Amino acid sequence: DQQVKQNSPSLSVQEGRISILNCDYTNSMFDYFLWYKKYPAEGPTFLISISSIKDKNEDGRFTVFLNKSAKHLSLHIVPSQPGDSAVYFCAASDPGTYKYIFGTGTRLKVLA
Amino acid sequence: DTAVSQTPKYLVTQMGNDKSIKCEQNLGHDTMYWYKQDSKKFLKIMFSYNNKELIINETVPNRFSPKSPDKAHLNLHINSLELGDSAVYFCASSQGGTVTEAFFGQGTRLTVV
Repeated sequence: DQQVKQNSPSLSVQEGRISILNCDYTNSMFDYFLWYKKYPAEGPTFLISISSIKDKNEDGRFTVFLNKSAKHLSLHIVPSQPGDSAVYFCAASDPGTYKYIFGTGTRLKVLA
Repeated sequence: DTAVSQTPKYLVTQMGNDKSIKCEQNLGHDTMYWYKQDSKKFLKIMFSYNNKELIINETVPNRFSPKSPDKAHLNLHINSLELGDSAVYFCASSQGGTVTEAFFGQGTRLTVV
């Protein structure tokens, strides 16, 4: 039972264009959402997060949007750079459960 | 200065052996985790510790035994290793549980032969 889903296993984008990575969740109790980037042979690196009381959070080239009614969040990267090529995981936390639940990841390839 | 460090990075061992993976964080966090990334690349929670106390044991076989000697360390001991234990194991830490972001170690790739 996958509570956090990333339905696109891979995405290719031209350098300089926008990358949009999507994530859906099923548990309406989730109140905090995160995006991580992962390079091969390294651990996930935190990118950006959003609380359920907000619908948008921006940090430089990265913006996360949250649509609670649709149980959907997305990560926008503008402009995309070749160094952004990695696997991106979205994650959610259920308050008080002491665990992050991760999606299955989307492999982003930014073409130069 | 590495925030969350795991040792070893690679571990190759035979079935039936017992092995340990060590994790240390220097962030002053009170919550630590072990995650397993299997061959399908799913990141699944195994254990959560808060202030050295076990909070979550996510239906992990009892051959896996975490130990937290203090808030900065969370080690993972695995008895009687099986082929299916082959995976990448990640340690992570956060402050105050999951209300903030977690920081991950670089992972330990365990291969059981």
